[in-house]
Amino acid sequence: EAQVTQNPRYLITVTGKKLTVTCSQNMNHEYMSWYRQDPGLGLRQIYYSMNVEVTDKGDVPEGYKVSRKEKRNFPLILESPSPNQTSLYFCASASGGRAYGYTFGSGTRLTVV
Amino acid sequence: GQQVMQIPQYQHVQEGEDFTTYCNSSTTLSNIQWYKQRPGGHPVFLIQLVKSGEVKKQKRLTFQFGEAKKNSSLHITATQTTDVGTYFCAGPLKFDRGSTLGRLYFGRGTQLTVWP
Repeated sequence: EAQVTQNPRYLITVTGKKLTVTCSQNMNHEYMSWYRQDPGLGLRQIYYSMNVEVTDKGDVPEGYKVSRKEKRNFPLILESPSPNQTSLYFCASASGGRAYGYTFGSGTRLTVV
Repeated sequence: GQQVMQIPQYQHVQEGEDFTTYCNSSTTLSNIQWYKQRPGGHPVFLIQLVKSGEVKKQKRLTFQFGEAKKNSSLHITATQTTDVGTYFCAGPLKFDRGSTLGRLYFGRGTQLTVWP
């Protein structure tokens, strides 16, 4: 089944403790992206990648890191999480063609205390 | 500032009524994409419009892309309870240095509630 898989689904952590949210897609998509969703603010792009080793900043990159060493994986790293990073995070991927939008993962709800 | 604006933020309709959400960008868009997110779910891609003035239909849903490629609308005819959710528009800016699908700007969404 074509899908974007992100883990974990839920995570509660403490301020300053490094964490990684994994994202993997099995559709051989070139594009991958991370979004955070907060009430009233919609979806804001954190980072995106157009292919292996090619990444760029979105709307809100501060406090986050990404890497794209393989085409299928695009982990999101929070080196020192803070409470304002409490949010719902989505990973998404898309092909390089013109006719297709992003396929989203099921989301990771992160709480930083 | 926010690049893509979407109105209304909320819409409550009775089943059978029509619904429209509007999306406006301060900058020309390369394309416009529409997504639907059910409560508790993740965004699901509905459609992409690329050409100026383009109109596409999916059953009761009609999507339009403005002539100037700065605005778009989604119209649902005769809403059903299965239409409940939040509808988002999104698009890459035409002159953004990023690739077409890479740097997407989302509207804040219109949350549709349908009562029987």
